[in-house]
Amino acid sequence: NAGVTQTPKFQVLKTGQSMTLQCAQDMNHNSMYWYRQDPGMGLRLIYYSASEGTTDKGEVPNGYNVSRLNKREFSLRLESAAPSQTSVYFCASSEVRAGGLPTDTQYFGPGTRLTVL
Amino acid sequence: AQSVAQPEDQVNVAEGNPLTVKCTYSVSGNPYLFWYVQYPNRGLQFLLKYITGDNLVKGSYGFEAEFNKSQTSFHLKKPSALVSDSALYFCAVRFSSGSARQLTFGSGTQLTVLP
Repeated sequence: NAGVTQTPKFQVLKTGQSMTLQCAQDMNHNSMYWYRQDPGMGLRLIYYSASEGTTDKGEVPNGYNVSRLNKREFSLRLESAAPSQTSVYFCASSEVRAGGLPTDTQYFGPGTRLTVL
Repeated sequence: AQSVAQPEDQVNVAEGNPLTVKCTYSVSGNPYLFWYVQYPNRGLQFLLKYITGDNLVKGSYGFEAEFNKSQTSFHLKKPSALVSDSALYFCAVRFSSGSARQLTFGSGTQLTVLP
C-alpha cells in the first residue's frame, strides 16, 4: 500500500514550457487535491476533485489545469510555465464518509519540487 | 472567510521540556481543526484533529491539542519534547457549514528541539 505517489520528484523548466505533474493514490479515496507550498505561506489549494469526474478551483488556480483521469489519478498541468510557479507541489487525497462528504483527514504525497527559470 | 494564524515562525525548546506550538483561527461557524507535521523533504502527515466533543484531543507521537472556543485557539502541545520532534508544523481549519471541502493552512511553525 503505497498511499499517495507523485512523479516526478524534481523538475526544472524554462519559462513557457509545459509539463504535467502526476499523482496517484491506492487508498480508494474519492477526493483528491493539489496544493502548492511556498516559504512563509503554508499550503495553498490549487484545484480539487471531490469525486471522479468533477473538479473545482481552489485558492490559486490561475495558470493551472487539472484532470481527474479515474478514481486513482489526478494530474496537474502547467501549460506555459512562469517563474512565479516555482514551488513545491503536493497532491493529497481523503476518504468519503457516510453522506458523501470527505472526512477531512487528508493524506499527502511526497511532493514535486519545480523550478521555472 | 476562514483563516488560521500561526504567530510564531520558529519555536526552540530543550529536549525533555514541554512544547507548545500556537494556532488561532477566525471563524463564522463551527471549525474543524487539524495539525499536520512535515519532516524535511517529505509530505505532510496528519497528527490530530478536533471536530466536536472533548476539547482536549490526543494524537500521534504523544501530541495533544486543546480547542478553546472563547480564545479561538487550537494550540499543539507535548509534555516532553524529543529531538525527533523537530519539524515544520501546520495548523489547518475547515468549517462545518457549506459544501466547500477546502482546508486552509497556517504559514507553519518550525520547531527545533535542542539536545
